[in-house]
Amino acid sequence: DVKVTQSSRYLVKRTGEKVFLECVQDMDHENMFWYRQDPGLGLRLIYFSYDVKMKEKGDIPEGYSVSREKKERFSLILESASTNQTSMYLCASRGPGGTGELFFGEGSRLTVL
Amino acid sequence: DQQVKQNSPSLSVQEGRISILNCDYTNSMFDYFLWYKKYPAEGPTFLISISSIKDKNEDGRFTVFLNKSAKHLSLHIVPSQPGDSAVYFCAASAFTWAGSYQLTFGKGTKLSVIP
Repeated sequence: DVKVTQSSRYLVKRTGEKVFLECVQDMDHENMFWYRQDPGLGLRLIYFSYDVKMKEKGDIPEGYSVSREKKERFSLILESASTNQTSMYLCASRGPGGTGELFFGEGSRLTVL
Repeated sequence: DQQVKQNSPSLSVQEGRISILNCDYTNSMFDYFLWYKKYPAEGPTFLISISSIKDKNEDGRFTVFLNKSAKHLSLHIVPSQPGDSAVYFCAASAFTWAGSYQLTFGKGTKLSVIP
């Protein structure tokens, strides 16, 4: 089974703090994604990466950056957290092929005070 | 512009009855459709999918129907069970300029199955 592990299930940070969200997958997948989920807004793509050191902006990249130094690891960075970044963050990975099926981690609930 | 729409934010169904969750899309380039299920405080899990060359796919209690001319798909759960209570996301896949398939998600429908 594919396993996608997110480092922190729950975080509480203060406005202006730098936040790192880590994600590791164990299936040698090329593609990795960061989404955020908010009530009434569904899943919105922040950034994705289709290879090491490659990254592409998703639908809502503002206020975020990412890092993919190793194939199995994809990090989401909030340089200066703000209260409107309080959300559930979901990491996902996908192997090659055309089905588009994503495998998700359990999510990281971030609260910014 | 929302390309994948789930117009019902919530749905309540009696245990044992059929649950029907609907999804509409606007992009004719979508060629693969998926349903994900999400419990609170967990990541979404894949439920069932359908290729655009088919009009029906069945897996146990779950059936997905695709009507390409109407750009509409639906998920049927029969019979519904209390454990099916979750948020269901419809997703559509298309090949993009970045050279990979991307999923576009709907906003989700919260299903409550009443015992």
